[in-house]
Amino acid sequence: GAVVSQHPSWVICKSGTSVKIECRSLDFQATTMFWYRQFPKQSLMLMATSNEGSKATYEQGVEKDKFLINHASLTLSTLTVTSAHPEDSSFYICSATLGSSYEQYFGPGTRLTVT
Amino acid sequence: SQQGEEDPQALSIQEGENATMNCSYKTSINNLQWYRQNSGRGLVHLILIRSNEREKHSGRLRVTLDTSKKSSSLLITASRAADTASYFCATDRYDTDKLIFGTGTRLQVFP
Repeated sequence: GAVVSQHPSWVICKSGTSVKIECRSLDFQATTMFWYRQFPKQSLMLMATSNEGSKATYEQGVEKDKFLINHASLTLSTLTVTSAHPEDSSFYICSATLGSSYEQYFGPGTRLTVT
Repeated sequence: SQQGEEDPQALSIQEGENATMNCSYKTSINNLQWYRQNSGRGLVHLILIRSNEREKHSGRLRVTLDTSKKSSSLLITASRAADTASYFCATDRYDTDKLIFGTGTRLQVFP
């Protein structure tokens, strides 16, 4: 199956700083990438849908100025958590797809801890 | 919330036993998928069943779908300790490729 990578796999940052997480599709060009957030022992909650070359579509309740998404190419999307606070600590997972009716391929996730 | 519900929330069984997890969802769907997640890791795709299918098999996995009841079940036969993980169902609709995940079932298989 297709491979999606995330970098970094884990990051610790101080409150008030910004953190960038990269999501790459390694062996295919993804028309759409998705960003999810997962709290411990909970399910994945979709944060935003990202299409190459256009603005991301955010789910209700997700602050777009807080979670900046850039989808610069068909193989790379980035999520920047701006002015991070301890409540932003979570597991962030991206996925990539060739389009509707195609499987979503998930990255391994990035664990963010804000101290 | 559109999130699906899964039950049980947690399931503990012995190796060799079968494990059954159920998923209910709220809207009409295009596909329903099951994923596995080991602790602190990403998701592994297990199986996809389309809305016009009723049952699907893959190795030790058997998935059923009842669109009239808006529910699905995942059966893992002859479970192994390595099957210990969280299992999530996820649905997508005809008008979007977004996935809506269920609440998940944490499966523990004891050797």
